[in-house]
Amino acid sequence: AQSVTQLGSHVSVSEGALVLLRCNYSSSVPPYLFWYVQYPNQGLQLLLKYTSAATLVKGINGFEAEFKKSETSFHLTKPSAHMSDAAEYFCALYGGATNKLIFGTGTLLAVQP
Amino acid sequence: GAGVSQSPSNKVTEKGKDVELRCDPISGHTALYWYRQRLGQGLEFLIYFQGNSAPDKSGLPSDRFSAERTGESVSTLTIQRTQQEDSAVYLCASSLIATQGYGYTFGSGTRLTVV
Repeated sequence: AQSVTQLGSHVSVSEGALVLLRCNYSSSVPPYLFWYVQYPNQGLQLLLKYTSAATLVKGINGFEAEFKKSETSFHLTKPSAHMSDAAEYFCALYGGATNKLIFGTGTLLAVQP
Repeated sequence: GAGVSQSPSNKVTEKGKDVELRCDPISGHTALYWYRQRLGQGLEFLIYFQGNSAPDKSGLPSDRFSAERTGESVSTLTIQRTQQEDSAVYLCASSLIATQGYGYTFGSGTRLTVV
């Protein structure tokens, strides 16, 4: 069965610090992986996606994620956090034959001045 | 339209009443999904439509929940005899087609509060 685990429901960083949000997955088929961001009172916005091409994927707003098959991970990083990055981040896995995205429980990122 | 539109944006209803939530997907998107997001929790899949195929209803939590979609257009999610545990944000998303390379475009959601 496919599943997504996000480690850390809350992450707090200082402005300018590295952002690292962790995502591990379980999949019986080659995965397609996504990161979404949700700002308060808004829907989810696609940050980036891995679809079996390059393992290092660059997204919007300076975020990137690296697919590591050996670690079954797809962690999201950004070198320098901005106040505007404060939001909730969701990792998602395309569920193969189920034709739907399976989401992690989300990580709320707080950025301290 | 330019994005996925959901209405109403907020709905307060009394326990036991029926509610109907609407989703207008992006024109041309054949796949449409409903998810539920309870406070402090992740997204819970409810139902998925793909073109004229039979919908995948495997995520509907009870028979009080139902959804319809006509062709590749508007979808409505109906909750009958609402309960307090139905309080959540209901998110709709659409996708060009339901294959692995395409992400979803989400609407802003309907915040449902059952009092």
